[in-house]
Amino acid sequence: QKEVEQNSGPLSVPEGAIASLNCTYSDRGSQSFFWYRQYSGKSPELIMFIYSNGDKEDGRFTAQLNKASQYVSLLIRDSQPSDSATYLCAVNQAGTALIFGKGTTLSVSS
Amino acid sequence: NAGVTQTPKFQVLKTGQSMTLQCAQDMNHNSMYWYRQDPGMGLRLIYYSASEGTTDKGEVPNGYNVSRLNKREFSLRLESAAPSQTSVYFCASSEVEGGKLDTGELFFGEGSRLTVL
Repeated sequence: QKEVEQNSGPLSVPEGAIASLNCTYSDRGSQSFFWYRQYSGKSPELIMFIYSNGDKEDGRFTAQLNKASQYVSLLIRDSQPSDSATYLCAVNQAGTALIFGKGTTLSVSS
Repeated sequence: NAGVTQTPKFQVLKTGQSMTLQCAQDMNHNSMYWYRQDPGMGLRLIYYSASEGTTDKGEVPNGYNVSRLNKREFSLRLESAAPSQTSVYFCASSEVEGGKLDTGELFFGEGSRLTVL
């Protein structure tokens, strides 16, 4: 059973809207959480990490963590067509490796 | 800056053949990883090496072997390829401090696309 769960999508939003991506994880001992973006045919790249409950903002991106409910989310404000990609949620495993979810495909229409 | 370099980028094998995927990083990172990515499956961890001289199994290690040749290089070997191993393979590296990847970023190579017929 996958330890990290994401809706595969596709999630479709119009340009300028807020995109909300969600992720749940099963290991309560997980300490840190990551969001990666992957464009089609390319390698994943890190967008944000978070390890404390609450919100963490970086430009148009906000990561939210709720350890009690074991979920982490990513909000993308003012979505742009260039944000169209697959977003991968990842959690720390045993301190030195990341376990990824299946990813959510986001499509932003202009 | 080269970052993480994987070779080959493309490979076609017949069932039962063996091959080695090579990975090298020039960022002096101590941890290296091999992932595979299949459509709709995200990234799945095959093996990782937290530091030179150590390797550990990930989520899907069966059918694979790895070698951490030195700090720079981490190879993945398929001894007897099967069609189920058709996938895109990504190597990654990271800097891990105190044995923790709490804030570390994984740097990925461009991927190696393997087809097993």
